[in-house]
Amino acid sequence: EDKVVQSPLSLVVHEGDTVTLNCSYEVTNFRSLLWYKQEKKAPTFLFMLTSSGIEKKSGRLSSILDKKELFSILNITATQTGDSAVYLCAAVYNTDKLIFGTGTRLQVFP
Amino acid sequence: NAGVTQTPKFQVLKTGQSMTLQCAQDMNHNSMYWYRQDPGMGLRLIYYSASEGTTDKGEVPNGYNVSRLNKREFSLRLESAAPSQTSVYFCASSEQTSPLSETQYFGPGTRLLVL
Repeated sequence: EDKVVQSPLSLVVHEGDTVTLNCSYEVTNFRSLLWYKQEKKAPTFLFMLTSSGIEKKSGRLSSILDKKELFSILNITATQTGDSAVYLCAAVYNTDKLIFGTGTRLQVFP
Repeated sequence: NAGVTQTPKFQVLKTGQSMTLQCAQDMNHNSMYWYRQDPGMGLRLIYYSASEGTTDKGEVPNGYNVSRLNKREFSLRLESAAPSQTSVYFCASSEQTSPLSETQYFGPGTRLLVL
């Protein structure tokens, strides 16, 4: 069965901490992995990863994919209260399939 | 650009009633999608449309129908609503015709409660 598993389910940190969010996948004919941030409403796109070992960065956020071990991580350094959100990852596979994980809820307190 | 818009924002239905959720995008995107999001289940794809005139089933299509009215609009219809369809529904769009492989832009969601 194709699946995407995220961990931890929930994370509570203080501002300034660094966090690592995990996403593992088991899908057939993997194509790419997507990270989204969901605050109160619609998910917003963060990264798309297709190649192993190449880090993508956007400010304090970075992500990397390991296609051998079938996982991706999302790092957030120097966290801020505005980083509080649910972070979703999704695997694109076969020619037209996409499956989301259940998300990691991050809460950053001052 | 408004991006992806959805109507209504919130709806309460009785079991057996029907309704249509509307979605429109003004980004000239080719692909459009309907998801539902339930607690502990993440986002699940209901239907998608790779281009005007085509639609395909996603992970959870039962109980739903869709219409890609034109390039801008993609509607989701519940013919006979059931309490199990209580959820938050998101519409999304992406530029590429190769579906699901590109960045998707999401609408603000429709919260549906079926009593």
